[in-house]
Amino acid sequence: QQPVQSPQAVILREGEDAVINCSSSKALYSVHWYRQKHGEAPVFLMILLKGGEQKGHDKISASFNEKKQQSSLYLTASQLSYSGTYFCGTVRFSGNTPLVFGKGTRLSVIA
Amino acid sequence: DAGVTQSPTHLIKTRGQQVTLRCSPKSGHDTVSWYQQALGQGPQFIFQYYEEEERQRGNFPDRFSGHQFPNYSSELNVNALLLGDSALYLCASSYASPGNTEAFFGQGTRLTVV
Repeated sequence: QQPVQSPQAVILREGEDAVINCSSSKALYSVHWYRQKHGEAPVFLMILLKGGEQKGHDKISASFNEKKQQSSLYLTASQLSYSGTYFCGTVRFSGNTPLVFGKGTRLSVIA
Repeated sequence: DAGVTQSPTHLIKTRGQQVTLRCSPKSGHDTVSWYQQALGQGPQFIFQYYEEEERQRGNFPDRFSGHQFPNYSSELNVNALLLGDSALYLCASSYASPGNTEAFFGQGTRLTVV
């Protein structure tokens, strides 16, 4: 079951904040966030496990609301380097289940 | 550490032909997953290999098959190519199931079917 991401695209000026959401209709074990720049491989950002944890590094953080089966990625004080497409990937069980990705959110940061 | 490496980087094939794509996982990783990424879309899960067996499979026809070797490297084979198979094919490696571990992606193979 593919997770649903919103918004599909967002344009920010440097220094502005953004929130990207990822929702699932099924119970999840974990949510993974990746960023992909044009022509490059997706790069891992962070994993959140069920239990409603929140993680972050630098000015990018994320939360996972287990009750809502929703994860949010927070980008604060955006930089030009944050531009790219952000994908959430979800895993339903801790065993042999695949990482299933949403359609992505295209983020463009302009000067 | 070379990370995940894929070959070739680009490939042009004719409809009806067969293609083999290759992936070497990151050192220490034993699980390889293959994804198809169409332009402007998210990666779509094809299948996952662990201990030389296909462990999970996405919604792809039998024309898509794979293999994992004892050194954990993997191949993706696509038979009877269709124009719609044109896409970026990504390989991701992880240690065991990617449920709670980071999956590393290769740069991908850009397949064009003409």
